[in-house]
Amino acid sequence: DGGITQSPKYLFRKEGQNVTLSCEQNLNHDAMYWYRQDPGQGLRLIYYSQIVNDFQKGDIAEGYSVSREKKESFPLTVTSAQKNPTAFYLCASSIGTGYTFGSGTRLTVV
Amino acid sequence: KQEVTQIPAALSVPEGENLVLNCSFTDSAIYNLQWFRQDPGKGLTSLLLIQSSQREQTSGRLNASLDKSSGRSTLYIAASQPGDSATYLCAVSVMNSNSGYALNFGKGTSLLVTP
Repeated sequence: DGGITQSPKYLFRKEGQNVTLSCEQNLNHDAMYWYRQDPGQGLRLIYYSQIVNDFQKGDIAEGYSVSREKKESFPLTVTSAQKNPTAFYLCASSIGTGYTFGSGTRLTVV
Repeated sequence: KQEVTQIPAALSVPEGENLVLNCSFTDSAIYNLQWFRQDPGKGLTSLLLIQSSQREQTSGRLNASLDKSSGRSTLYIAASQPGDSATYLCAVSVMNSNSGYALNFGKGTSLLVTP
């Protein structure tokens, strides 16, 4: 079945560490997105990519980095510069205006 | 910047009731509007997609309307069931040369249907 796979489901980060969240899709979608969800805040756009080897900052890109070396993959790195990384992270892909979301990764700072 | 507001933030109803969730947006220059469902700790499931040229979409017990000129959409759920309990998110899509069809989300309505 086609879809988006996010891993891991749960991730714990120590202070000062970088961690990478995986997002893989087999839908042949060109566009991929990363959103952050906090309680009571709704979803906010971190980064997006329309094609391979190209990506743009969203509304809250500070402290995050991405790469898009393959069409299927759009990993998100949460760097030590992100001071409040505890949140639920959702990856999505789209073709035209049809969006598909992954099941999310919950990141907690310990 | 496009702002999306959902009212109410939370709603509790007994099983069998019909209910309406509201969504408003500040800029009417949208490409489409989507309603999503999110279960606790899960991703988003698309429920209904309304193109800007359309007035409504229906899927089973769900009906979504769109009044682009007034910046409003409603999601109507008929004969609610406990399995409908979830958070419902409204998102508008705007065309941007850099981000394509980026989605702007409301904060959601948390629905609880009691048996």
